[in-house]
Amino acid sequence: EIVLTQSPDTLSLSPGERATLSCRASQSVSSSYLAWYQHKSGQAPRLLIYDASSRATGIPDRFSGSGSGTDFTLTISSLEAEDFAVFYCQQYGSSPITFGQGTRLEIK
Amino acid sequence: QVQLVESGGGVVQPGRSLRLSCAASGFTFHRFDMHWVRQAPGKGLEWVAFMSFDGSNEKYADYVKGRFSISRDNSKNTLYLQMGSLTTEDTAVFYCARDRLAKRGNWHFDLWGRGTLVAVSS
Repeated sequence: EIVLTQSPDTLSLSPGERATLSCRASQSVSSSYLAWYQHKSGQAPRLLIYDASSRATGIPDRFSGSGSGTDFTLTISSLEAEDFAVFYCQQYGSSPITFGQGTRLEIK
Repeated sequence: QVQLVESGGGVVQPGRSLRLSCAASGFTFHRFDMHWVRQAPGKGLEWVAFMSFDGSNEKYADYVKGRFSISRDNSKNTLYLQMGSLTTEDTAVFYCARDRLAKRGNWHFDLWGRGTLVAVSS
């Protein structure tokens, strides 16, 4: 199975700053079938990005995704207070689908 | 309101069984493939099981094969997960999740519930 490794484990930033989250796959992700989710404790996870770079419905344009092959990035251009959460990448190009271990984005 | 609401979690002894439910509302449930995903305490998300929109196809993660069974009742807009031979390693919050596009087998999820906690303990 494809192992996804996210970095860093924790990212401490202030509102207004730019956040860059990384997701590296142990082998190439077919057709860039990679998604990003935001998850706040006690809430339902929220789909942000699919197919590596397509924003899901209703997601603000400060969220963007990029990458292909084994290296993918989620960028939040200017952090707002509600953005702080745990972020997961997920590949769905190979069976079984797998998730990364998560990056916690916390307020500095 | 478009939502998924899980129920049926609780404390259960090792070796016992438990059935989870996921009630869907606000969308055409019978058009969408559905999944269960879990999160163990302090861990990340982990896919558990899949069922196609019409119930004709199902798949499982290797670590639950033969122990868990997914099903759905489209007349009741409800997804189920029957869990058996539970171990402490099955302790997790279980989420149901909807495929992003109807009848397309996307395997990524645009609608999730808030989850139900299953605690396996003696």
